[in-house]
Amino acid sequence: KAGVTQTPRYLIKTRGQQVTLSCSPISGHRSVSWYQQTPGQGLQFLFEYFSETQRNKGNFPGRFSGRQFSNSRSEMNVSTLELGDSALYLCASSLRSRQETQYFGPGTRLLVL
Amino acid sequence: AQSVTQPDIHITVSEGASLELRCNYSYGATPYLFWYVQSPGQGLQLLLKYFSGDTLVQGIKGFEAEFKRSQSSFNLRKPSVHWSDAAEYFCAVGAPYGGSQGNLIFGKGTKLSVKP
Repeated sequence: KAGVTQTPRYLIKTRGQQVTLSCSPISGHRSVSWYQQTPGQGLQFLFEYFSETQRNKGNFPGRFSGRQFSNSRSEMNVSTLELGDSALYLCASSLRSRQETQYFGPGTRLLVL
Repeated sequence: AQSVTQPDIHITVSEGASLELRCNYSYGATPYLFWYVQSPGQGLQLLLKYFSGDTLVQGIKGFEAEFKRSQSSFNLRKPSVHWSDAAEYFCAVGAPYGGSQGNLIFGKGTKLSVKP
């Protein structure tokens, strides 16, 4: 069974731009969570989607948003990029709920210049 | 507030030596517990997990971890380290019930270096 896939793997943007990252969960998994990883703050939870509904949201500004499609694929969007948004963005999927084991994708490395 | 503490930022061990990575958590109830490993530039790979039952859990790559409720700890161990184990290790906790706190909370990680 294929793992979690994320596209693109690397991205360079400039301040003020917006970016969309994509995540395809493991087949059959319906829950998708997003995390931001930076050297200073570590791994921080962004939000979680299940059956196209956002169930939980971390402490990030409204510039960070996401959505989930009927096939469980998910996208996250960051508008008005700031230098501090440079990070590795990780997507994780689980079968039904976030209480179950989360399986992570390889991440998207975003660099904001 | 819920939190996970990994007291060691960086550990260096010799190949073939034993390894123990420490993890302590602060949580209102017994959470679900996880250890993940991350190689440079990669995502997180699940090593093992504890939900309930036997407090000594076995994982992949020869790793094991022991849950100690009295110490709020979930330390990761390996009897003999291989050079390929060099990576960063993350301990995480998750809520064992529904509600708004189901996301994983991660420790800051422990970077493991292996000397030949």
